[in-house]
Order: sequence, then C-alpha cells, then structure tokens
Amino acid sequence: NAGVTQTPKFQVLKTGQSMTLQCAQDMNHEYMSWYRQDPGMGLRLIHYSVGAGITDQGEVPNGYNVSRSTTEDFPLRLLSAAPSQTSVYFCASRPTGTATEAFFGQGTRLTVV
Amino acid sequence: AQSVAQPEDQVNVAEGNPLTVKCTYSVSGNPYLFWYVQYPNRGLQFLLKYITGDNLVKGSYGFEAEFNKSQTSFHLKKPSALVSDSALYFCAVRDPRGGGSNYKLTFGKGTLLTVNP
Repeated sequence: NAGVTQTPKFQVLKTGQSMTLQCAQDMNHEYMSWYRQDPGMGLRLIHYSVGAGITDQGEVPNGYNVSRSTTEDFPLRLLSAAPSQTSVYFCASRPTGTATEAFFGQGTRLTVV
Repeated sequence: AQSVAQPEDQVNVAEGNPLTVKCTYSVSGNPYLFWYVQYPNRGLQFLLKYITGDNLVKGSYGFEAEFNKSQTSFHLKKPSALVSDSALYFCAVRDPRGGGSNYKLTFGKGTLLTVNP
C-alpha cells in the first residue's frame, strides 16, 4: 500500500534551472495539494486540485505551475528556480468531502544554489 | 481568513508526565480541526480530528484533544508521555463552508515536543 509517493527525495538546483517534483497517489483521492515547509512558518499551500483537469492557486503560487491530467498524478513544476524556493515540499491527497483528513508524502528537500 | 496559532515553539516534558500542546484557531463558522505529527525526515501523519459532536476526541498513539468553542482552542493532550512521542506537532483548521476555503487546510507553525527520559 504505497499511499502518496514523492520523487525525488532530495534535489539541488542552480538558480534559473527548472524541474518537476513528482507526486503520485494510489488511493483514488480526488483532492491533491502541494505545500512547502519552511522553518518557523508551518506548511503553506502552493497549489491544489479538486479533480483531474481542475487546479487552483493556494497561498504562495508564484514561481510554480501544476497540472492534473489524471487522478493519480499531480506534478509541481518550478519554472526558474530561485534561492527563495529552497524548502521541503510535501504533496498530500484526501478523499472527497469536507471532513476528510489528508495523507502526506514523505517530502522532497530542495536546495537552490 | 482562517488562521491557527500554536503559542509554544517548544514543549519539554518528562517521560511519564502528562503533556499538552496548545492550539487556538480563527475561522468563520464551525471549524474542522486536525492534529498531525511529523517525525524527523518524514511526512506528516494524521493523529485526530474534530468535526462535530463530543468535544473530547481520541486519536492515534493515545493522544486526545479537547475542542473548546468559547475559547476557540483545540489542545492536544496525552496522559503519560513517551520518549517516542518526541516530534513536531501541527494543528490545522479547515472552514467547512463551500467555495475555495473548503479545500484549504491552514496549519499552525508547529510545536516541537521533546520528552526527556
């Protein structure tokens, strides 16, 4: 039972490079989201999706793109990496419904130099 | 806008003693409240949630939380702490009304719990 799988676990990028963080879930959850975790700031929502083909912005969307072509996958794209995007990124999914809890992946630690 | 405050960055308790991790929230209407735990280099794990009903909610690993509407609080508690409970704890709130806020889970900044042997 894999749950939410994120790849890669670690990544170092140079300023200006682009990359895609992968997220896949095998629980048939409609809702998926991306958060970034920074020391002393908790988790902040970057983008979220309520189903295939539907995405929306969260609190801190600038510099990131998402798409949702399938229920299972929700990749996060960094268009032109900046040092301010150094962070730990978490993908989460949950079933439809307002009272459901989210399931998190193990995170991707990204360093931009 | 919804928000969560965890007033203590760190909490230290001795093993076997009771522990409390504090959380207060701000949201329009009745909130959905969650506690998550994060062990080092791991993702967040769900502990418990309050949706409606009994104000005392029981969750995983012997944790419980008490919802207090008048004080807008949702403190996490455990009667007897274990060294293995040492971790980062996050409180989160969701506004159950419709619209974009329905999807958003707002987290507090986290409280680092250290249980000393």
